[in-house]
Amino acid sequence: AQSVTQLDSHVSVSEGTPVLLRCNYSSSYSPSLFWYVQHPNKGLQLLLKYTSAATLVKGINGFEAEFKKSETSFHLTKPSAHMSDAAEYFCVVSDWADKLIFGTGTRLQVFP
Amino acid sequence: DSGVTQTPKHLITATGQRVTLRCSPRSGDLSVYWYQQSLDQGLQFLIQYYNGEERAKGNILERFSAQQFPDLHSELNLSSLELGDSALYFCASSVVVTGANVLTFGAGSRLTVL
Repeated sequence: AQSVTQLDSHVSVSEGTPVLLRCNYSSSYSPSLFWYVQHPNKGLQLLLKYTSAATLVKGINGFEAEFKKSETSFHLTKPSAHMSDAAEYFCVVSDWADKLIFGTGTRLQVFP
Repeated sequence: DSGVTQTPKHLITATGQRVTLRCSPRSGDLSVYWYQQSLDQGLQFLIQYYNGEERAKGNILERFSAQQFPDLHSELNLSSLELGDSALYFCASSVVVTGANVLTFGAGSRLTVL
C-alpha cells in the first residue's frame, strides 16, 4: 500500500533563510507524488507534482522538490522563506485508483 | 477561486441531526472526491465518484452517503451526527495532467456538531 511520512510536524525558520520540509514515501510501484499547501482557513492548493519525468520538480512560489528513489524521499525546499509561506504543507502520494493519500502535515512558521 | 464550489461554508448543528454538503466541480472535471479533515485523523479520503458512478471508497462511515448527479455536482449526506463528526469537509475534482491525476480542492465546508 502507498503511504507517506512527513518527518517533522513543525518547522520554524527566519524570513530569508532556506526551507526544508521532509517527506518519505512507500510505494509498490513508481508513484505520483505531490506537495499541497493549506493556508489558514483556506482550501488545499497544489504546489508541485512528480510523475516520473524529471526528478527535480519546480512548483509555484519558488518551491521545488527532488524525487530520490534510492532514499524513497521527496523533500520540499525553498531557497529563501517569505512570511507568506507560513502554512501547513502536505506530502501526498497517489494510489492505484488515483486517490490521494495525505501525510500528517508539516506546519511551517516563518519569523521576521 | 479554484473553480470547485462548496456550500455551505459553515454549518452548526446538533447531535443526531442530518446535513447535506454540496459540491460543484470545475467545469469539465468528471471526478469528484470527498475528504474529511479533523484534528485527530488528519485528511482522510471518504469517497470518489466518476461521471455519476462510485469509483472508490475510503474511510466513510455507514452513516454517511454520497452521490453524483447527472450535472456532475455531488452531495455528501451525513446523518445521526455525533460530536466526532465535527470537521472540515473538502470536495475536490480532477483532471489528468501529464500522467498524474491532479486534484483541485474547494474551500471546504466546516461542520460543527454541538
